[in-house]
Amino acid sequence: AQSVTQPDIHITVSEGASLELRCNYSYGATPYLFWYVQSPGQGLQLLLKYFSGDTLVQGIKGFEAEFKRSQSSFNLRKPSVHWSDAAEYFCAVGAGGTSYGKLTFGQGTILTVHP
Amino acid sequence: EAGVTQFPSHSVIEKGQTVTLRCDPISGHDNLYWYRRVMGKEIKFLLHFVKESKQDESGMPNNRFLAERTGGTYSTLKVQPAELEDSGVYFCASSQSGKGNQPQHFGDGTRLSIL
Repeated sequence: AQSVTQPDIHITVSEGASLELRCNYSYGATPYLFWYVQSPGQGLQLLLKYFSGDTLVQGIKGFEAEFKRSQSSFNLRKPSVHWSDAAEYFCAVGAGGTSYGKLTFGQGTILTVHP
Repeated sequence: EAGVTQFPSHSVIEKGQTVTLRCDPISGHDNLYWYRRVMGKEIKFLLHFVKESKQDESGMPNNRFLAERTGGTYSTLKVQPAELEDSGVYFCASSQSGKGNQPQHFGDGTRLSIL
């Protein structure tokens, strides 16, 4: 069964600093990988996705993520954080086969941005 | 394009009562999913519809939960009778046709509180 681990429950950064949110997955085949963000009171918004091809994927709001098969990781990065990036971030892996619609989520990482 | 819409946004009921949550997916999306996040836990998959058929209901907790998608459009999730442990945020998502390689678009969720 697939699983996702986000080791950091809570991260605090200063506005303008760089950001890296960690995500490790466990899945037997080539995974479909996603990062979602949830701002307070809102639903989950897709930041970016990886299905195949180039291992560095660009997303919305200046985010990028790199798929590293050897490390089973899909870390999210942003070179300069804005106060509006404060939210909870979720890494997810998509299944294949008959359960192709099932997303397995990590525990989430809460990002606090200091001015 | 309208997004995924969920009703109600909040529901507070007493243990033993019945509650029905509704989800309207993005128009034209054949895939519809239900997820739940219990406080302090990760977001967990409940089930997946393809049009009006249940593709995968492996995440449904027990037979107190009944999901329907008559006509392949909107979906309802009924909890009867509600128990304290059913409290949480219930998310609905939809995606276009595809075998897991289509991103899921989420609604804002229904926050369910069982007293």
